[in-house]
Amino acid sequence: GESVGLHLPTLSVQEGDNSIINCAYSNSASDYFIWYKQESGKGPQFIIDIRSNMDKRQGQRVTVLLNKTVKHLSLQIAATQPGDSAVYFCAEGGEKGQNFVFGPGTRLSVLP
Amino acid sequence: KAGVTQTPRYLIKTRGQQVTLSCSPISGHRSVSWYQQTPGQGLQFLFEYFSETQRNKGNFPGRFSGRQFSNSRSEMNVSTLELGDSALYLCASSLSGTAAYEQYFGPGTRLTVT
Repeated sequence: GESVGLHLPTLSVQEGDNSIINCAYSNSASDYFIWYKQESGKGPQFIIDIRSNMDKRQGQRVTVLLNKTVKHLSLQIAATQPGDSAVYFCAEGGEKGQNFVFGPGTRLSVLP
Repeated sequence: KAGVTQTPRYLIKTRGQQVTLSCSPISGHRSVSWYQQTPGQGLQFLFEYFSETQRNKGNFPGRFSGRQFSNSRSEMNVSTLELGDSALYLCASSLSGTAAYEQYFGPGTRLTVT
């Protein structure tokens, strides 16, 4: 499949460990944030979202934390599995999804 | 339900040529958005079409254009190709296009300009 990014920062974790992927966003006026997962040869896939009036949201094995003070977003993946290996990137924008800006991404590599 | 399909998956063109990429949205989806993804710039929004009308546009030169047909299928055209146009071009479809979380992405077309 296509390589999404040859020079992305890489996070390597052992299978079963927890992963934390970070994202610094740029616009303090952004109201809405999304984390995407992109596997090789595929388009981005929605994982979880969070609105600016929240600081934490949990999904299945994933948690997103939002720190508006320092404009920081993180994605925590519990009990990381080989199938979690992918590029993860955040996106910020308006509440209705307008003017979305995507982060550069982090490559997550799960070690057996 | 079939997902978003894009054709072709891979394309090699020469600088100065033009190219047309195609996107078929999920059945029932009326909004199609196009994105360019490169290692250096990441994912960047090109434009969005809804009911055959361009509704939103990103910050790309006029060489990049698109259209949408009555069946919601969309095409993107790049004229006078430059080396820097080499990228993965993604389209995403949604019912209304107003919420980013509603978007479903296709696998992309990898364009290489030589």
